[in-house]
Amino acid sequence: SAVISQKPSRDICQRGTSLTIQCQVDSQVTMMFWYRQQPGQSLTLIATANQGSEATYESGFVIDKFPISRPNLTFSTLTVSNMSPEDSSIYLCSVEHRGNTEAFFGQGTRLTVV
Amino acid sequence: AQTVTQSQPEMSVQEAETVTLSCTYDTSESDYYLFWYKQPPSRQMILVIRQEAYKQQNATENRFSVNFQKAAKSFSLKISDSQLGDAAMYFCAYSNTPLVFGKGTRLSVIA
Repeated sequence: SAVISQKPSRDICQRGTSLTIQCQVDSQVTMMFWYRQQPGQSLTLIATANQGSEATYESGFVIDKFPISRPNLTFSTLTVSNMSPEDSSIYLCSVEHRGNTEAFFGQGTRLTVV
Repeated sequence: AQTVTQSQPEMSVQEAETVTLSCTYDTSESDYYLFWYKQPPSRQMILVIRQEAYKQQNATENRFSVNFQKAAKSFSLKISDSQLGDAAMYFCAYSNTPLVFGKGTRLSVIA
């Protein structure tokens, strides 16, 4: 299993500012993922965070808007840059061990942009 | 590409009754995992049950069980003796690293 600590749990931010979300895992994992969950919707993958290389972004998401760091096998950050009200969502980090037996999730960050 | 479809945006069930949530998926793979995750208002994604495609026996976890029909690519979740704490969003997911999620079913439990 894996225990993920995600911070902050919630924040209210002014438009035009940036917020960095942190995920700390209690074990070394190869693959970490960042998701966005808009109100009442399913999870949409933003990017895959790879240790030692740049993140791989999904269609519709760009590095300038959502820069990601992955300095080691237990930690990653996602920054939501130049925020607008449309960025108000829940952001979740996730890890999977090899074999696809289960994915583990952080507690989520509820972001409100005003 | 794999897809997961949940055709029931909302469901409701009386406390102590049984409810079934539907899920279908599309894949060309023969070996994979399927999952049901629960997301209560706390936002935490909680694994409810997991099914390995090469196992014909349906997975069960206490009050939760699945009906896995591999040929039909169907993976429904049955919740027996429903409790108020079962009220949540339920997501069906297919293993593809990362997971592919359905749109979710919001389950309400009526006391």
